[in-house]
Amino acid sequence: GQNIDQPTEMTATEGAIVQINCTYQTSGFNGLFWYQQHAGEAPTFLSYNVLDGLEEKGRFSSFLSRSKGYSYLLLKELQMKDSASYLCAPMDSNYQLIWGAGTKLIIKP
Amino acid sequence: GAVVSQHPSRVICKSGTSVKIECRSLDFQATTMFWYRQFPKQSLMLMATSNEGSKATYEQGVEKDKFLINHASLTLSTLTVTSAHPEDSSFYICSAKGQGDTGELFFGEGSRLTVL
Repeated sequence: GQNIDQPTEMTATEGAIVQINCTYQTSGFNGLFWYQQHAGEAPTFLSYNVLDGLEEKGRFSSFLSRSKGYSYLLLKELQMKDSASYLCAPMDSNYQLIWGAGTKLIIKP
Repeated sequence: GAVVSQHPSRVICKSGTSVKIECRSLDFQATTMFWYRQFPKQSLMLMATSNEGSKATYEQGVEKDKFLINHASLTLSTLTVTSAHPEDSSFYICSAKGQGDTGELFFGEGSRLTVL
């Protein structure tokens, strides 16, 4: 079956660094997306990894290990506006995104 | 980047009426669009995949006669909730598949439906 596992909730301090882990099992694999979703809003794209390794984009970085079925999203210099849910979504062999429940990130001053 | 516009953003209707939600790709042609439903504090639930010019593919458990999807052009897909009931109240979101190899999805702003 297809399965996404990421923590339900995490708390971090403004200015700090946080890593959100995601493990997945899919039927085939065509890359993995990370999306950010603020409450009451639609998701917005953060990153896409299809090859192993780390992709850095400003304060956000995303890592993928295909052999381990593992990815993480690294957020640096946390800001209050980073409080949101972060959705890990691998793409299966049919090019469909498989959505996890997301990780709610709470940033404290 | 690519823009997807969804309308209306909020709609309140009486039980038994039908509501239409539009999803438009503003600056690109979207051969595939997706419709999701999301309950508070829950994950996105894919309802159906809509391909331009053909019938939508519905996920298991989604009533195709209740949630009518039309993708008549490369820039517009519509979701009509027929004979809406209070349990249909939810946040409905569309997305369009971008052109290129990454398969990145571009999301509409979402539509919050409240059925009284």
